[in-house]
Amino acid sequence: EPEVTQTPSHQVTQMGQEVILRCVPISNHLYFYWYRQILGQKVEFLVSFYNNEISEKSEIFDDQFSVERPDGSNFTLKIRSTKLEDSAMYFCASTFTGTSSYNEQFFGPGTRLTVL
Amino acid sequence: GENVEQHPSTLSVQEGDSAVIKCTYSDSASNYFPWYKQELGKRPQLIIDIRSNVGEKKDQRIAVTLNKTAKHFSLHITETQPEDSAVYFCAATKSGYSTLTFGKGTMLLVSP
Repeated sequence: EPEVTQTPSHQVTQMGQEVILRCVPISNHLYFYWYRQILGQKVEFLVSFYNNEISEKSEIFDDQFSVERPDGSNFTLKIRSTKLEDSAMYFCASTFTGTSSYNEQFFGPGTRLTVL
Repeated sequence: GENVEQHPSTLSVQEGDSAVIKCTYSDSASNYFPWYKQELGKRPQLIIDIRSNVGEKKDQRIAVTLNKTAKHFSLHITETQPEDSAVYFCAATKSGYSTLTFGKGTMLLVSP
């Protein structure tokens, strides 16, 4: 069964450094998402991406964040200057729009980001 | 925007008992309500979902009910097993590809 994959599984960085989190969505999916989950808290939406542009973004997704689909398979989340509070598990998700209005969002295994 | 409240935050049951987790949502335009199970350190995985034109849906030991008037939906697990132990998240969205708003999660512990 196809799965969303993410790399790396764990990223440790110093405050102020840039990080890029990588995702490979399921190949025939058209909508892509980033969510984050601070330890012990709920999953929070960051951004959605469709047709090579941002479809929706939350208040969390400020100018320090950016997303890109650099090629036909990868979907990346960049944090330009990391802060301590960016430490969280970051999940990529994708869905196939198809003809149904209700489609499961498939989540990747996550990247645990630790900012020191 | 949408706000989803979920209760309880933790739920401990004995193996074989039933477990019920309840969620309320605020946006009457929401029409798709998935439930995700997240085992420790793993990705959230969809276990069941319900659309707004349906009041109840069942899949083996798992069922979900939806009351659109009251804006609440519930997850019911019967004959619980230790492998049901996980964190369960409810979510709501206006469509299947729109952003999911999650509840805070319920940690279900099933004791043998």
